Amino acid sequence: DTEVTQTPKHLVMGMTNKKSLKCEQHMGHRAMYWYKQKAKKPPELMFVYSYEKLSINESVPSRFSPECPNSSLLNLHLHALQPEDSALYLCASQKQPSSYEQYFGPGTRLTVT
Amino acid sequence: AQKITQTQPGMFVQEKEAVTLDCTYDTSDQSYGLFWYKQPSSGEMIFLIYQGSYDEQNATEGRYSLNFQKARKSANLVISASQLGDSAMYFCAMREGRDFNKFYFGSGTKLNVKP
Repeated sequence: DTEVTQTPKHLVMGMTNKKSLKCEQHMGHRAMYWYKQKAKKPPELMFVYSYEKLSINESVPSRFSPECPNSSLLNLHLHALQPEDSALYLCASQKQPSSYEQYFGPGTRLTVT
Repeated sequence: AQKITQTQPGMFVQEKEAVTLDCTYDTSDQSYGLFWYKQPSSGEMIFLIYQGSYDEQNATEGRYSLNFQKARKSANLVISASQLGDSAMYFCAMREGRDFNKFYFGSGTKLNVKP
């Protein structure tokens, strides 16, 4: 089973709202990633967690706050977003940090109004 | 310099025919991996095929094969017997060494399969 799940599928939020995106995998993978993807563009790396610790933060604004409560779960907390943050947010997992292959979830389509 | 270059923004192919999607890469690392992902309009990135830099044989997965030419730094995806469900965006990607943030995506190729 190579499944990564993400909820919600779609999210519309105002600029003053606080919301969270959730990503889950039960493959025992120990590295998890958040990507942001604008329309017709490739994914851009945001954060990487390795063994539940934040390893990479690609200069992402503080209005995005990642959290990894356990090895199966990855959250992305959103606060005071801007309309330009509207995008597809993809989660991916990897068996180990040293593995090559990443498995992606279906994504959350976020619209900020 | 771009790490991954996909020069075909859009491609058309007739159903049941084969199609080649181009990908060239740029790295000075000896150890790297090359990937192809398919992204339908629904948004999910679907892993298709992987080629390691030390693999001597071209990778194959069902109807997908990766034409790996190391000296030319190319990693083209060949889809045989195209199906309507193959219509999607295809991304070539590369990971250099073992660093997390050295995972690069190309700009993608939109493939349309015509009935």
